[in-house]
Amino acid sequence: KNEVEQSPQNLTAQEGEFITINCSYSVGISALHWLQQHPGGGIVSLFMLSSGKKKHGRLIATINIQEKHSSLHITASHPRDSAVYICAFSQGGSEKLVFGKGTKLTVNP
Amino acid sequence: DSGVTQTPKHLITATGQRVTLRCSPRSGDLSVYWYQQSLDQGLQFLIQYYNGEERAKGNILERFSAQQFPDLHSELNLSSLELGDSALYFCASSVKTSSYNEQFFGPGTRLTVL
Repeated sequence: KNEVEQSPQNLTAQEGEFITINCSYSVGISALHWLQQHPGGGIVSLFMLSSGKKKHGRLIATINIQEKHSSLHITASHPRDSAVYICAFSQGGSEKLVFGKGTKLTVNP
Repeated sequence: DSGVTQTPKHLITATGQRVTLRCSPRSGDLSVYWYQQSLDQGLQFLIQYYNGEERAKGNILERFSAQQFPDLHSELNLSSLELGDSALYFCASSVKTSSYNEQFFGPGTRLTVL
């Protein structure tokens, strides 16, 4: 069983919709990372969080440490948000990232 | 642009060959991580270097090796290549060694083994 599970695997939305991508993990972690991978392949770090909530523009990331769950929300989605969103964690004593399999988001105009 | 550079962008080679992938971290970053992304395994951690020393090892095959040089750039050497080694190889860098560090990813090297 993967240590990180993401849902859904694929998500199609219409422009303007509110998007939620979920990430559950099964071990104690130090930090939870949300990454964005565009069709060209490059990976961009969106958020790193260990508690609470962070917001950047239209993106919001939350984490519930007790429930071992994190969510990434996109408000007023836009076609340029189309990408694969990957959650990953790091654990105490190790900086390596353990990755989920990603959620492929397609936003149609 | 993350500030992390990787060369080459694409590499096509044959089975049994040896290749070297190069990574230059962001200015000031001492830690370099190598990751492999394949269709069946997803993203996996290979190895980490910090200020020239190996810090952590993941699912790295014995045919693969890496090093970090005094100028902090890093190279990943892949030898006796097999078809299954075809993948995207990313390096990432961070300022220091901590599980709370944000990692900045390079654009990746796409390796195709024919």
